[in-house]
Amino acid sequence: DSGVTQTPKHLITATGQRVTLRCSPRSGDLSVYWYQQSLDQGLQFLIQYYNGEERAKGNILERFSAQQFPDLHSELNLSSLELGDSALYFCASSVLAGGPGETQYFGPGTRLLVL
Amino acid sequence: GDSVTQMEGPVTLSEEAFLTINCTYTATGYPSLFWYVQYPGEGLQLLLKATKADDKGSNKGFEATYRKETTSFHLEKGSVQVSDSAVYFCALSEGGGGNKLTFGTGTQLKVEL
Repeated sequence: DSGVTQTPKHLITATGQRVTLRCSPRSGDLSVYWYQQSLDQGLQFLIQYYNGEERAKGNILERFSAQQFPDLHSELNLSSLELGDSALYFCASSVLAGGPGETQYFGPGTRLLVL
Repeated sequence: GDSVTQMEGPVTLSEEAFLTINCTYTATGYPSLFWYVQYPGEGLQLLLKATKADDKGSNKGFEATYRKETTSFHLEKGSVQVSDSAVYFCALSEGGGGNKLTFGTGTQLKVEL
């Protein structure tokens, strides 16, 4: 158990809908990261927040947004969902913003299926 | 941009066989290198890491050496067990202003009795 929790574990929804994925980092970790794992794209970095502020952005679609709250939990919002958004979404956390070799601890993931 | 290339899987070995999973990288600076493992139905777990050239990361019998001259970070284990069956991901991070991980495609390992 990494100490990172994600809810829900599974999500099934329809095209055009909006969903929210939630992540609680390990106690004491200030950074939260979101990754998408799909069969065709592999594991892709989406976005990083550090202590409530956006720190780095990857291949995140405009239909997707995220935020980190004062209690450091994070939410990833996916809207106007398409079939291709079906994937496993991982949250990870780390202590700081990214020193050399800083370890990221991954949650169990949320499996999203868009029908 | 940064990229990581891993050998294609799946790799099937007999128990107690020697394992090598090749990983090479392209990066603009001096990245840190990682191996993560994903067991079926679970998230990724850090297996080992190295932060500078010639560093050797090791954990649970697995080893990998950061080779700057060949831009490689190959994963090795002398004697695999059935419980090592999983998907192994090589990754790098450049650190600095952010800490995103750039992953390889993953290599599935299956160990049989």
